[in-house]
Amino acid sequence: KQEVTQIPAALSVPEGENLVLNCSFTDSAIYNLQWFRQDPGKGLTSLLLIQSSQREQTSGRLNASLDKSSGRSTLYIAASQPGDSATYLCAVRFGSARQLTFGSGTQLTVLP
Amino acid sequence: DGGITQSPKYLFRKEGQNVTLSCEQNLNHDAMYWYRQDPGQGLRLIYYSQIVNDFQKGDIAEGYSVSREKKESFPLTVTSAQKNPTAFYLCASSMTPRDHEETQYFGPGTRLLVL
Repeated sequence: KQEVTQIPAALSVPEGENLVLNCSFTDSAIYNLQWFRQDPGKGLTSLLLIQSSQREQTSGRLNASLDKSSGRSTLYIAASQPGDSATYLCAVRFGSARQLTFGSGTQLTVLP
Repeated sequence: DGGITQSPKYLFRKEGQNVTLSCEQNLNHDAMYWYRQDPGQGLRLIYYSQIVNDFQKGDIAEGYSVSREKKESFPLTVTSAQKNPTAFYLCASSMTPRDHEETQYFGPGTRLLVL
């Protein structure tokens, strides 16, 4: 069964700290991997999409990496701010599947 | 403004009642999706549609139905057969993928509660 796992489920850090969120997946034959942000009671906002042929993508203070052989992706957030507090979800499109498979998310709290 | 709208924001269902959640997009996207999110969990796919008048079941389609009569609209009906409908429902859309590119854009969600 193709699954996506995110550990830890929750993380608290002081403002200004650099942090890494983890995502692991069970099948290395992926089409792409996407990181989303979700604020409480809201929809999802796409942060970064990594194609299967890429190893990383960057947007501002965010950097996402992909290692298909080990089944892992990381989302690096530099110089964290209280406004970064949200739930971060990892989603994988496996092989020829049309749909995304989501992890359960990491709830991040950045303390001022 | 281009985007995805969902209505209503909150919906209450009585026992044995069917309810319909609305999803509209003006992004000219071909594909549309319905997901369910339970507290502390990721999203699970209910149904998706790649083109008008065509749709496929996702992982948890039982107790739900959809239609895709127009490109812009993909309504979801939660039927009385769905015994545990309380959840946050999210609609998304995407372009038909070229190569490996595909970003899904999400609406603001509808929270369904059972009375």
